[in-house]
Amino acid sequence: DGGITQSPKYLFRKEGQNVTLSCEQNLNHDAMYWYRQDPGQGLRLIYYSQIVNDFQKGDIAEGYSVSREKKESFPLTVTSAQKNPTAFYLCASRDSGAAYEQYFGPGTRLTVT
Amino acid sequence: GQNIDQPTEMTATEGAIVQINCTYQTSGFNGLFWYQQHAGEAPTFLSYNVLDGLEEKGRFSSFLSRSKGYSYLLLKELQMKDSASYLCAVRDSGGKLIFGQGTELSVKP
Repeated sequence: DGGITQSPKYLFRKEGQNVTLSCEQNLNHDAMYWYRQDPGQGLRLIYYSQIVNDFQKGDIAEGYSVSREKKESFPLTVTSAQKNPTAFYLCASRDSGAAYEQYFGPGTRLTVT
Repeated sequence: GQNIDQPTEMTATEGAIVQINCTYQTSGFNGLFWYQQHAGEAPTFLSYNVLDGLEEKGRFSSFLSRSKGYSYLLLKELQMKDSASYLCAVRDSGGKLIFGQGTELSVKP
């Protein structure tokens, strides 16, 4: 089956630790995105990549880093510099062409204490 | 600036019709999307409008007026499973999606 996978579903970390969230897609999509969702708020764009080996900062990139070494993979690292890392993180991908919608992975709920 | 507004919460009765409004001000416009999101799950695509008018897909319809910066999602014959958050998103001139905060719809028997 084609789709986007994120692992793990739930992740717990201590404050001060870096943590990497996985995102893999087998849809052959060029573009991939990372969003953060907090209660009562919409999705906010962290980073996005439109092609392998290239990525751009979104609206809230501070405290996060990404890599795009393979078309299928777009991991997100939440660093200790991120002041409020506890949130629901969603990865998405999209085929080329403006009309195509973004497909979302199941999300990772990160809790930092 | 970029701004997308939609009501925070709505309540409707099973079998009824509900309209969820969305107004937007963005730097450029390359289409408007509606997504459905159940609690703790990923958003799923419902509809896409790029031209003015109504797009119908089963029980769901979406309308767009670009001159007014306005869209609505119409849900007919409401079912309990339609209780969810509905997200309005605009693709700006740079190709990015700008999301509204979402409208939490509660369907009651």
